Amino acid sequence: GAGVSQSPRYKVAKRGQDVALRCDPISGHVSLFWYQQALGQGPEFLTYFQNEAQLDKSGLPSDRFFAERPEGSVSTLKIQRTQQEDSAVYLCASRRTGGDSSYEQYFGPGTRLTVT
Amino acid sequence: DAKTTQPPSMDCAEGRAANLPCNHSTISGNEYVYWYRQIHSQGPQYIIHGLKNNETNEMASLIITEDRKSSTLILPHATLRDTAVYYCIVRVAAEGGNQFYFGTGTSLTVIP
Repeated sequence: GAGVSQSPRYKVAKRGQDVALRCDPISGHVSLFWYQQALGQGPEFLTYFQNEAQLDKSGLPSDRFFAERPEGSVSTLKIQRTQQEDSAVYLCASRRTGGDSSYEQYFGPGTRLTVT
Repeated sequence: DAKTTQPPSMDCAEGRAANLPCNHSTISGNEYVYWYRQIHSQGPQYIIHGLKNNETNEMASLIITEDRKSSTLILPHATLRDTAVYYCIVRVAAEGGNQFYFGTGTSLTVIP
């Protein structure tokens, strides 16, 4: 079946521009996660949704980062006034269940953001 | 911060078993151990997870010590396509999400 998809796969933004990154989770998956992965590092948690509710946004690095999942399916991660330190791969993952976190997360291919 | 310790890199000969160790000495009784891998330019891929018992699937085996303070991922017959960064993750029971803390993983190189 279809996995997690993300678009665009690559994005180049000039410093100060706003960007929007899209995630299409596996159909029916309740939980959705965003991670940020800097070059040479492991992914770091940004935020978590259970259906349309954003239950944890403790990993968002600043108020320039905003995520939404209005209908409990597709999610968008928005970065306002991008800065060079925002350059990274942004990964989306979904999980079948909500409260039962013993299930695995399925990751998309990521969006590589380069801020020039 | 990640609760696991892994060697930064390992080599393995093609066709041989690859044994990747992980220390998680502060693991709690209800925390699972997950293994993911990430091939260059791809998203992390789930391999296996376990709580107390050893686990095996079509990709790998997971051996967890009796005290649960360490584990080993075993790829029984490594191929060149197994070259990747392998992450050992202890699931943190946080409110809401139970997100993963990845750390920096072990970079496994399978040598022809």
